[in-house]
Amino acid sequence: RKEVEQDPGPFNVPEGATVAFNCTYSNSASQSFFWYRQDCRKEPKLLMSVYSSGNEDGRFTAQLNRASQYISLLIRDSKLSDSATYLCVVNEGGKLIFGQGTELSVKP
Amino acid sequence: GAGVSQSPRYKVTKRGQDVALRCDPISGHVSLYWYRQALGQGPEFLTYFNYEAQQDKSGLPNDRFSAERPEGSISTLTIQRTEQRDSAMYRCASTRDGPGEKLFFGSGTQLSVL
Repeated sequence: RKEVEQDPGPFNVPEGATVAFNCTYSNSASQSFFWYRQDCRKEPKLLMSVYSSGNEDGRFTAQLNRASQYISLLIRDSKLSDSATYLCVVNEGGKLIFGQGTELSVKP
Repeated sequence: GAGVSQSPRYKVTKRGQDVALRCDPISGHVSLYWYRQALGQGPEFLTYFNYEAQQDKSGLPNDRFSAERPEGSISTLTIQRTEQRDSAMYRCASTRDGPGEKLFFGSGTQLSVL
């Protein structure tokens, strides 16, 4: 079983739609969690950290469920510019492990 | 420097040759990570350092791969006797205060083994 698993997609959604991604992790001792965004062939960039109480940044909401070992990312009112690959990242004792990424394509 | 710098940007080599990939992190950044990324996949963890100490090398695929960061700044990832399956984008990232924090990535080195 992979340490961090994501549905690779692609998710094809119209502008204005709400879309949600999930990510599961295998190590219950994982300490912190993040969502990164990667545009085609560019380097990944931090989108947001994920906190136990859940957190929101504009149209983006991240949730953590430690009991079920998954994290989620919700994007509301999708924009064309949200088209990218979204990578889930889990911190295992300093080792930062990426999922394979979920591709999002927002269409006009 | 202003950002993480990796060199070379592209490297084409013949099977069996050794290659050295360089990473110059943001000045003062404590931790440095190496990843390998194949097309359509997420970055695959290789190894990471805190200052000059290699903390975890569990992701290095085999003993042809090694990494060092002798003075706690610049790091080199060396691949000996390259094979075609080593072809990938190799990415370096650093974090400011320690492991498990925000990663700042370089532009990567695209390695092609012919």
